[in-house]
Amino acid sequence: GAVVSQHPSRVICKSGTSVKIECRSLDFQATTMFWYRQFPKQSLMLMATSNEGSKATYEQGVEKDKFLINHASLTLSTLTVTSAHPEDSSFYICSATPGRNEQFFGPGTRLTVL
Amino acid sequence: GENVEQHPSTLSVQEGDSAVIKCTYSDSASNYFPWYKQELGKGPQLIIDIRSNVGEKKDQRIAVTLNKTAKHFSLHITETQPEDSAVYFCAAEYQRGYNKLIFGAGTRLAVHP
Repeated sequence: GAVVSQHPSRVICKSGTSVKIECRSLDFQATTMFWYRQFPKQSLMLMATSNEGSKATYEQGVEKDKFLINHASLTLSTLTVTSAHPEDSSFYICSATPGRNEQFFGPGTRLTVL
Repeated sequence: GENVEQHPSTLSVQEGDSAVIKCTYSDSASNYFPWYKQELGKGPQLIIDIRSNVGEKKDQRIAVTLNKTAKHFSLHITETQPEDSAVYFCAAEYQRGYNKLIFGAGTRLAVHP
């Protein structure tokens, strides 16, 4: 149980384009989903927290207009990186919680912006 | 602000030895402390967690201890195997507002055959 999927696993895009990443909880309903970014050999940095049906809460320094988050249902959250630039290249990971403390992570999405 | 310190940053052991990773947290209101294992190119996997009403928890070769007074917790892996090689992250739940996790910097564990 507690499986979280992400799609796509890898994406390469041109600078200035937008990229959408999907995060799904496959066997539980997620009251809250989290989006993280991880640079090589670094820890996970929380970008935003989203609850189904409400606006996401962004961490300090994360541009809400650049990283659009939609939590349309209890099993799906999407992160859209708008007007991507090379410095946005990173490993993006989502997590979901069924309502207790535990966070279960997806496999991550490697974004490369050329 | 909230902070979790993790040591050591790298750890190299021989197969069969024990490995210990230590973390210290700053938010005295934290009451949930998970440990994650991350293999290269993959998402973190929850391997064990502990809540503040418990001082120790064990699951086969993995154990976690918690000292709330000192605000530190540790991961213990016994009888290490090469497949234990990975990056391990500790985290503490930050209670204010919404329950987010604050992660340590990670420990790269290498288990040599």
